[in-house]
Amino acid sequence: SYVLTQSPSVSVAPGQTARITCGGKNIGNKNVHWYQQKPGQAPVLVMYYNRDRPSGIPERFSGSNSGNTATLTVSRVEAGDEADYYCQVWDSNSDQRVFGGGTKLTVL
Amino acid sequence: EQLVESGGALVQPGGSLRLSCAASGFTFRTHWMQWIRQAPGKGLVWVSRINGDGSDITYADSVKGRFTMSRDNAKNTVFLQMNSLRVEDTAVYYCGREPATSPVDYWGQGTLVTVSS
Repeated sequence: SYVLTQSPSVSVAPGQTARITCGGKNIGNKNVHWYQQKPGQAPVLVMYYNRDRPSGIPERFSGSNSGNTATLTVSRVEAGDEADYYCQVWDSNSDQRVFGGGTKLTVL
Repeated sequence: EQLVESGGALVQPGGSLRLSCAASGFTFRTHWMQWIRQAPGKGLVWVSRINGDGSDITYADSVKGRFTMSRDNAKNTVFLQMNSLRVEDTAVYYCGREPATSPVDYWGQGTLVTVSS
């Protein structure tokens, strides 16, 4: 089955830019979605179809996808952005959804 | 919109459990639904997906043959029947709604399933 690889952690200072990556074979040919999960809470969709933001998600969140890497970029990071972030794709070969292992964003 | 999961419990290995997810505040029958799970301290894992009329269902390899997802559009409820439960099935189980034009855009608050002797 399709495998998505995420770095376990990313740390940035407030006001800086965080880049959270999601690796997969030819992932640029797939649509990537991103979820944010804070401790004790359900996941929240923050990016879909690579670069579309749901209503209510700040413009500071942006997405890209090319080659073997998709990226969620959080600009001007705030303390409230501290959370786990998961990428997800649909694997057409198996007709299964797949999550990456998650990246913990720490705001220093 | 609201999704409320229920049915989580402590069950012995080899046992069965049926989870329910009651939906409200949106047109249930037009949404595909999903189940995902999260073991304590671990990441999200996709479990299953069902289409709007229940005619098409897919499962993760780890639960195929043991879990059955279904829905009752008259009662705005989706179910996950879990049989032959294993210790590694211990997790919080979340249900989510999937609109026609986006991935899951809303998840319930989850229900805890603990498989232990």
